[in-house]
Amino acid sequence: KQEVTQIPAALSVPEGENLVLNCSFTDSAIYNLQWFRQDPGKGLTSLLLIQSSQREQTSGRLNASLDKSSGRSTLYIAASQPGDSATYLCAVKTSYDKVIFGPGTSLSVIP
Amino acid sequence: DGGITQSPKYLFRKEGQNVTLSCEQNLNHDAMYWYRQDPGQGLRLIYYSQIVNDFQKGDIAEGYSVSREKKESFPLTVTSAQKNPTAFYLCASRDLADLSYEQYFGPGTRLTVT
Repeated sequence: KQEVTQIPAALSVPEGENLVLNCSFTDSAIYNLQWFRQDPGKGLTSLLLIQSSQREQTSGRLNASLDKSSGRSTLYIAASQPGDSATYLCAVKTSYDKVIFGPGTSLSVIP
Repeated sequence: DGGITQSPKYLFRKEGQNVTLSCEQNLNHDAMYWYRQDPGQGLRLIYYSQIVNDFQKGDIAEGYSVSREKKESFPLTVTSAQKNPTAFYLCASRDLADLSYEQYFGPGTRLTVT
């Protein structure tokens, strides 16, 4: 059974710092992995989607990597800003229409 | 302006009452999904539908019911049989022809049952 974990559960960093969020999954047989951002009380906003055949995706200050063999993905945020404060969730697609979500990492960027 | 709408944003109900959460999309997506989110946990799938008049149970369907009478709409009813209904409910949709399998999410409804 696929399980997705995210460490740490919460992270607080000073503005301007580069940071890495981690996502681990137990079964390497995935279709893709997606990173989302969730602001308090709001829905999910897709940040990056990495197909199983890809190693990484980049969008602006964000870079997501995928290592299927080790069951890991990282989300790298460069030059963090207070506006980056949110919860970041990763999700893996394990079959045609099954997506498993991690519990999220709550990020606070301190001005 | 395409997207997914959920209403209401906040919903309060007394224990023992059924309540229906709305989800509408104008993205012409075939598939729609309902998830439940509890603090410190990942989203859990309640029900999903890939075509009108057909839907499938997810991982935590007990105490919930859905209908899919129109492609654009996928309402979720939380029944009195759901033991812990207080949660944040998210609706999502997907274009089955999109091989990226990306899901698009609505803004959510926070349900509080007392």
